[in-house]
Amino acid sequence: AQSVSQHNHHVILSEAASLELGCNYSYGGTVNLFWYVQYPGQHLQLLLKYFSGDPLVKGIKGFEAEFIKSKFSFNLRKPSVQWSDTAEYFCAVITKAAGNKLTFGGGTRVLVKP
Amino acid sequence: EADIYQTPRYLVIGTGKKITLECSQTMGHDKMYWYQQDPGMELHLIHYSYGVNSTEKGDLSSESTVSRIRTEHFPLTLESARPSHTSQYLCASSEPGQGATEAFFGQGTRLTVV
Repeated sequence: AQSVSQHNHHVILSEAASLELGCNYSYGGTVNLFWYVQYPGQHLQLLLKYFSGDPLVKGIKGFEAEFIKSKFSFNLRKPSVQWSDTAEYFCAVITKAAGNKLTFGGGTRVLVKP
Repeated sequence: EADIYQTPRYLVIGTGKKITLECSQTMGHDKMYWYQQDPGMELHLIHYSYGVNSTEKGDLSSESTVSRIRTEHFPLTLESARPSHTSQYLCASSEPGQGATEAFFGQGTRLTVV
């Protein structure tokens, strides 16, 4: 079965610091990868997605993620965070072999101090 | 405006009661999902559907049941609620296909069984 691992459960950083959140998945075949964000009190929203092409994907709000197939990773990055980036971030994967189910990682709670 | 709706947003109910959590989407999506999420924890897929009259159990075993009689409607039912069912339930929908189709989430139903 496919699985997704997010290694950092909590991250605390100051405004203007750089952010990188790790995500690893278990399936070795063709994957579709996503990062979702959940701001306090709001529903999950898509930040960015990857299914083919350029492994460096740019999303909304200055976020980007890099797909490294050899490492089974899809890490999320932002060069300079803002207080408004305080949220929970979820990595997710879809694989055809797993029935195209959207499987999520455990999430990383990010707190940006003003 | 196309969207996905969940009702109720909050529900406190006594043990042994039957409850139905509603989920409706106006986007014409074929694929729909139910996730269970405890506070600060990962999302667990408990049910999904590829279309009308199609329902499958997800990765996390759940005592709930679902039905998909209409494309836009995917209700979740608990025949006899227990305190262990206390959690947040998230509904989502997405277009079918092998590409990285985005899943849209409702705002969730926070269920408390007392």
